[in-house]
Amino acid sequence: KQEVTQIPAALSVPEGENLVLNCSFTDSAIYNLQWFRQDPGKGLTSLLLIQSSQREQTSGRLNASLDKSSGRSTLYIAASQPGDSATYLCAVRPFGGTYKYIFGTGTRLKVLA
Amino acid sequence: SQTIHQWPATLVQPVGSPLSLECTVEGTSNPNLYWYRQAAGRGLQLLFYSVGIGQISSEVPQNLSASRPQDRQFILSSKKLLLSDSGFYLCAWSPGGNQPQHFGDGTRLSIL
Repeated sequence: KQEVTQIPAALSVPEGENLVLNCSFTDSAIYNLQWFRQDPGKGLTSLLLIQSSQREQTSGRLNASLDKSSGRSTLYIAASQPGDSATYLCAVRPFGGTYKYIFGTGTRLKVLA
Repeated sequence: SQTIHQWPATLVQPVGSPLSLECTVEGTSNPNLYWYRQAAGRGLQLLFYSVGIGQISSEVPQNLSASRPQDRQFILSSKKLLLSDSGFYLCAWSPGGNQPQHFGDGTRLSIL
């Protein structure tokens, strides 16, 4: 059974710092992995999707990497800003002929001005 | 461009009352559709997903049901709400394949 873990659950950093958020999954048989951002009381916003054949994806100050063999993904945020404060969730879509996604519980990030 | 609409934004219902939450997607056809629940401090729990009209897969046995009466409409229902049904309900869609999921703004459901 696929399980997705995100550690730490919460993180506070000063503005301008580069940071890394972690996502681990137990079964390497995945189609893709997606990173989301969730602001309080809001829905999820898609940030990056990495297909199983890819190593990384970049969008602006965000870079997501995937190491399928070790069951890990990282989201790198460069030059963090207070506006980056949110909860970041990762989700994997396992192999198996379905379109289900398994989510981690998220990392709550606070960037201090 | 594609958009997803989910309503209502907030809902307060008494225990034992019925429920109907609606989600529609615009600007695409034959999307995969999803209902999730997010309890306070917990991750997203997949409740139902649908790959086509009338095709519903249930992930968690409970007193909720889902229907897809039209290609881009997904409805979450209950005949009798329980206290444990409280939470944040999110609808999502995906084109399928290796494409990302996109979420609506969610419905905050409180059961009294």
